[in-house]
Amino acid sequence: EADIYQTPRYLVIGTGKKITLECSQTMGHDKMYWYQQDPGMELHLIHYSYGVNSTEKGDLSSESTVSRIRTEHFPLTLESARPSHTSQYLCASSESRSAYGYTFGSGTRLTVV
Amino acid sequence: KNEVEQSPQNLTAQEGEFITINCSYSVGISALHWLQQHPGGGIVSLFMLSSGKKKHGRLIATINIQEKHSSLHITASHPRDSAVYICAVRWYGGSQGNLIFGKGTKLSVKP
Repeated sequence: EADIYQTPRYLVIGTGKKITLECSQTMGHDKMYWYQQDPGMELHLIHYSYGVNSTEKGDLSSESTVSRIRTEHFPLTLESARPSHTSQYLCASSESRSAYGYTFGSGTRLTVV
Repeated sequence: KNEVEQSPQNLTAQEGEFITINCSYSVGISALHWLQQHPGGGIVSLFMLSSGKKKHGRLIATINIQEKHSSLHITASHPRDSAVYICAVRWYGGSQGNLIFGKGTKLSVKP
C-alpha cells in the first residue's frame, strides 16, 4: 500500500510544453525529495524540502522548479520541456527523527518528443 | 569514480540459492540504505542501518563501518526476489540529507 503517490505514472509530451509532476504523501513527513534516474543509472537528487516553504536544489542541476506550500504536497514543474528531460522522476519522503529511512513513490516516467 | 560501488552488477541465480550483494563506499556516512527497485520503477526501502546487522524475513543486511562495506543477503531465493537492489549512503557532505546511490545490482532468480 503506497503512502506516497506520484502522478502521472507515464507521460509523453511535446517539446516546449509546461508540465507538473505531482507528489503527495500521507505520512506527515517533514522532508521530501525529487530524484532523477536515467535507465540503468543511479538516482540523483534534484530538489529537496525540509518543510513548508523550504526548498533547495540538489547536487544535480535541473531546469525544474518545486514548491512546498503544504506538508503533504511537493510538485515538480518544468516550464518548457525538452528531449533532454526524458527520464524517470522519483519522489521520496522521510521524517527527521525516523529510524525507518525513506519512502519512495512509484515514479513518473517522462518522455519528451 | 562513484563513491558507492556495488558488486556484482548483474546476478543470475537458481531458485533456492543463497545470494550476496556487496556495497563499498568511500565517504563518511551516518547511515546506509538498501533499496529494492522492481521493473515498474517504484522503489521499496528494505533496510536502513548504521551498525551491525538487521534481518527481515529472508533478507539480512550487515555493515562494517571500519571497512566501509555492507552486504545484503537473501536466503532461499525466489523468482519474486528478481529486482534491482540499490545501496545508498547518507553522507555528511553535500546537500543535507542527501543520499549517494550505487548503480544497483540486477538480480534474476530462475525457477
